Amino acid sequence: ETGVTQTPRHLVMGMTNKKSLKCEQHLGHNAMYWYKQSAKKPLELMFVYSLEERVENNSVPSRFSPECPNSSHLFLHLHTLQPEDSALYLCASSQASGTGSSPLHFGNGTRLTVT
Amino acid sequence: AQSVSQHNHHVILSEAASLELGCNYSYGGTVNLFWYVQYPGQHLQLLLKYFSGDPLVKGIKGFEAEFIKSKFSFNLRKPSVQWSDTAEYFCAVIPRGSGGYNKLIFGAGTRLAVHP
Repeated sequence: ETGVTQTPRHLVMGMTNKKSLKCEQHLGHNAMYWYKQSAKKPLELMFVYSLEERVENNSVPSRFSPECPNSSHLFLHLHTLQPEDSALYLCASSQASGTGSSPLHFGNGTRLTVT
Repeated sequence: AQSVSQHNHHVILSEAASLELGCNYSYGGTVNLFWYVQYPGQHLQLLLKYFSGDPLVKGIKGFEAEFIKSKFSFNLRKPSVQWSDTAEYFCAVIPRGSGGYNKLIFGAGTRLAVHP
């Protein structure tokens, strides 16, 4: 049990579909993150929310749209994706700390396949 | 741009062999350093971390890592690996003063397979 729960675990969607990934953390953290994990590539930081405010948006295409309604929940809304968007999408949470002293806690990820 | 390099994508060892996984980062300022591990089918979890002080840090399951500032390196070591150490290992850094949240920058990972 990680304290960070992601649903669904697996998702297959067509390029014209709209779907959402959900993340929930039970650790009392106030920062949440979306990472993309592709084979043989470093994890890519996509979005960061700190104190429910988006503080990082790393040149992610607009077909990915994050939402953080409160400090415990994070969503990633997907629409008109491309096959190259197929990857493992990881959610993480931590205490907001500019010193980096609070480690990130990761969920199990959502394995996304775009057909 | 800040980056983290892990020298080996795949490592294959026999049980009881010694392990060293290389990690170098490019950033001129002060960083916090981490190693994360991902066992098959499981989530990423923290193995060990370095913030300051003794550059040799010990983590869980007998792992240790040494920070060598002059080489911008943070190599992971274990004297004797076990089959249960089969996993993917990620080195990561956070530049100090990232601004109220932890901007972890990851390497590409090293997949370790330990044979009985």
